[in-house]
Amino acid sequence: VQIVQSGAELRKPGASLRISCKTSGYTFSSSSMHWVRQAPGQRLEWMGWINHVNGNIKYSEKFLGRITITRDTSANTTYMDLTALTSADTAMYYCAKQGAQWLAYLDSWGQGTLVTVSS
Amino acid sequence: EIVLTQSPATLSVSPGEGASLSCRASQGVHTNFAWYQQKPGQSPRLLIYGASVRATGVPARFGGSGSETEFTLTIDTLQSEDSAVYYCQQYDIWPWTFGQGTKVEIK
Repeated sequence: VQIVQSGAELRKPGASLRISCKTSGYTFSSSSMHWVRQAPGQRLEWMGWINHVNGNIKYSEKFLGRITITRDTSANTTYMDLTALTSADTAMYYCAKQGAQWLAYLDSWGQGTLVTVSS
Repeated sequence: EIVLTQSPATLSVSPGEGASLSCRASQGVHTNFAWYQQKPGQSPRLLIYGASVRATGVPARFGGSGSETEFTLTIDTLQSEDSAVYYCQQYDIWPWTFGQGTKVEIK
């Protein structure tokens, strides 16, 4: 299993960003992909996930209205869009594959995408 | 949301000794529980899921136990490469949550 994320991003407050997460080595449509972030010195924080089996998407309430998770099944790629960025969104963002269909532990992680929000 | 509280915050252990890390959940999560290891500059790595099942490739010196609200990660015969931050995670009730981490230092 390989999960490769897009590169570091620098954004100004109020801007938006898109992070991509390209996978290989397993059947893309057989699992779910999660988005987790880690602000400096903070614990890991779940943002949302997409079930590639049935297309269902779930977001953490904290990010509702700002986050959109989409996919391109032909490219085995998942995307996470985040809008209305503030300095509090400065963090490392990870996508991670779910380990089993109905159990949301994460058995493979991308390398992370560092997002810096600064004017 | 379920709050996971890990203790201790930092653990300093000599090579060859054992370590015991604790995680307490604010409400019962059955055994829908995992442990991760994160080394500096790296992504988290799954160690344990189902509270006690070692993930593929994880050395046998790592063990997990517990259910509902009390969970423990034990590391037998610590090695220098075990220096890392360890996080617990519950996946019983959405939103899934993580603990704040325990830093294991090797003396």
